Amino acid sequence: AQKITQTQPGMFVQEKEAVTLDCTYDTSDPSYGLFWYKQPSSGEMIFLIYQGSYDQQNATEGRYSLNFQKARKSANLVISASQLGDSAMYFCAMREDSGSARQLTFGSGTQLTVLP
Amino acid sequence: NAGVTQTPKFQVLKTGQSMTLQCAQDMNHEYMSWYRQDPGMGLRLIHYSVGAGITDQGEVPNGYNVSRSTTEDFPLRLLSAAPSQTSVYFCASSYSGLAGPRVGTQYFGPGTRLTVL
Repeated sequence: AQKITQTQPGMFVQEKEAVTLDCTYDTSDPSYGLFWYKQPSSGEMIFLIYQGSYDQQNATEGRYSLNFQKARKSANLVISASQLGDSAMYFCAMREDSGSARQLTFGSGTQLTVLP
Repeated sequence: NAGVTQTPKFQVLKTGQSMTLQCAQDMNHEYMSWYRQDPGMGLRLIHYSVGAGITDQGEVPNGYNVSRSTTEDFPLRLLSAAPSQTSVYFCASSYSGLAGPRVGTQYFGPGTRLTVL
């Protein structure tokens, strides 16, 4: 079974509007972390936001917020007031804490295009 | 503070050739990893290391070797390149602490685009 599922291969949003990118995850580990990364066309992977499984509040980082619904196993990324520079591929990833390795499992990504 | 650096940025190999992709980090991170990124498949873990002298296999280790003689460096070796290894390769490192708001956040290098003919 897929550990991280991103069901939106592509999304379009008008500049200055908000957009939600979906991510669902599958784990039986009680302790885990969820991450969102941005990959612009230049190719680098940029860390955006992190949510721990025991965090009581949704994470926020500037215009990015993570809508964490633990019972539904979803960790959607919300980008407020979209900008042209937000056009990129976005990856959701999970770290499970049961082992010694702090490795990430990635989803297949969502290509976001911001329209002027 | 350069973060995670990778060399080369681009490489073309012929089938059967070997080469080493270099990765270095200056953040004193204990955890380092190698991923490959193929179109439509996200990133997949090749090998990882939890500290100097300790390495382990990830999801797609076949055809690759790693070693970790120092905390800073984590080279990836392609033993005998095959066209199926054409991909973009990312090295990453992460904070090794047990607490904090960014436990496990991985910081990525700029990537190496490899083509095997």
